[in-house]
Amino acid sequence: QITLKESGPTLVKPTETLTLTCTFSGFSLSTSRLGVGWIRQPPGKALEWLALIYGDDDRRLSPTLKNSLAITKDTSKNQVVLTMTNMDSVDTGTYYCAYLGRYFDYWGQGTLVSVSS
Amino acid sequence: EIVLTQSPATLSLSPGERATLSCRASQTISRFLAWYQQKPGQAPRLLIYDASNRATGIPARFSGSGSGTDFTLTISSLEPEDFAVYYCQQRSNWPLSFGQGTKLEIK
Repeated sequence: QITLKESGPTLVKPTETLTLTCTFSGFSLSTSRLGVGWIRQPPGKALEWLALIYGDDDRRLSPTLKNSLAITKDTSKNQVVLTMTNMDSVDTGTYYCAYLGRYFDYWGQGTLVSVSS
Repeated sequence: EIVLTQSPATLSLSPGERATLSCRASQTISRFLAWYQQKPGQAPRLLIYDASNRATGIPARFSGSGSGTDFTLTISSLEPEDFAVYYCQQRSNWPLSFGQGTKLEIK
């Protein structure tokens, strides 16, 4: 059974760095073409893909955010970490991590992050 | 970047009716398209992958079709639990992208 769960702060201040952790079970991220991705959703708006890391450590980032994003994995802990620098109010939303086989087959419950001073 | 345009933005139907949702890609994506369902307060759920394959546990009333740039999600006879927001997503090219969603509401 594949499960994923996001954790991290619920509130960050503008210009701060956000660090979110996705802890998963039911698969190993040492298999090259499996991946874990991050997707966010502003309140009442559409899904936006942010970043993805494969088991072979291939990393993909959204071009519009690549200068502020980083994604890493810790295979021994079954975790994937997303960092986003210089947070702004427009970054407020629910952040999901998801398992990628060919598509986002399994999703975490999401974590709501608010950006406010 | 591939832009996915979903239509209509909102679809108002009654239980038992047939729903037809559209997703159009700004360039050809072969069949590399998925559909997701999202209910309020929940994470999205994969319904259809590679344009026409139902994901595990998805009822047969959900079907997908299309290739190239034009895709359709059809719900043959709406159940009360089907009223939700539906998103398409492509994996043909980087960056991955989602459509803006179609809200399926009860008429």
